[in-house]
Amino acid sequence: EDQVTQSPEALRLQEGESSSLNCSYTVSGLRGLFWYRQDPGKGPEFLFTLYSAGEEKEKERLKATLTKKESFLHITAPKPEDSATYLCAVSRNAGNMLTFGGGTRLMVKP
Amino acid sequence: NAGVTQTPKFQVLKTGQSMTLQCAQDMNHNSMYWYRQDPGMGLRLIYYSASEGTTDKGEVPNGYNVSRLNKREFSLRLESAAPSQTSVYFCASKPGQGSLMDEQFFGPGTRLTVL
Repeated sequence: EDQVTQSPEALRLQEGESSSLNCSYTVSGLRGLFWYRQDPGKGPEFLFTLYSAGEEKEKERLKATLTKKESFLHITAPKPEDSATYLCAVSRNAGNMLTFGGGTRLMVKP
Repeated sequence: NAGVTQTPKFQVLKTGQSMTLQCAQDMNHNSMYWYRQDPGMGLRLIYYSASEGTTDKGEVPNGYNVSRLNKREFSLRLESAAPSQTSVYFCASKPGQGSLMDEQFFGPGTRLTVL
């Protein structure tokens, strides 16, 4: 059974204080690992897809990295508008489904 | 492009009532999905449709039925609502077979309360 575990569950940062969110996964035949951002009362918004260990992708203050067992979402010099829940999900080679982790709720204080 | 749209945004039902949640996408995607999101449980897949004319069960299908009406629309039906079905429901779509894009795109959600 595929499993995705995100840590920490919640993270409070001061504006400008860089940190990382973790996503550990167990999946038979990883096809892709996905990061989403979800604001309160809204649907998940796609951020990144990573396909192979060593791959990195960046968008503004966010950088996602992938190893064979986990992925990190690095947030550099965060701003209050980065406050949201960040979701990680995996898909298999022979499947059509995403398995999601529980998410990390990030709060950035000015 | 509106992307993925869902109706209604909010709904309150009494136990035993039925209702249909509507989802439509205007991105010409082949695959569509229904998820529910509960506190502490994350997003869980209820049903999906890999392409027009096909539907398959996900992780938590009991108590639900789906219809892929055409390529654009995918509806979720609760025949006899139960309090355990109180949740936020999200529809999603992705290009599907033949595309290099694997990411799913989500709608804004329907917040359902069953009393």
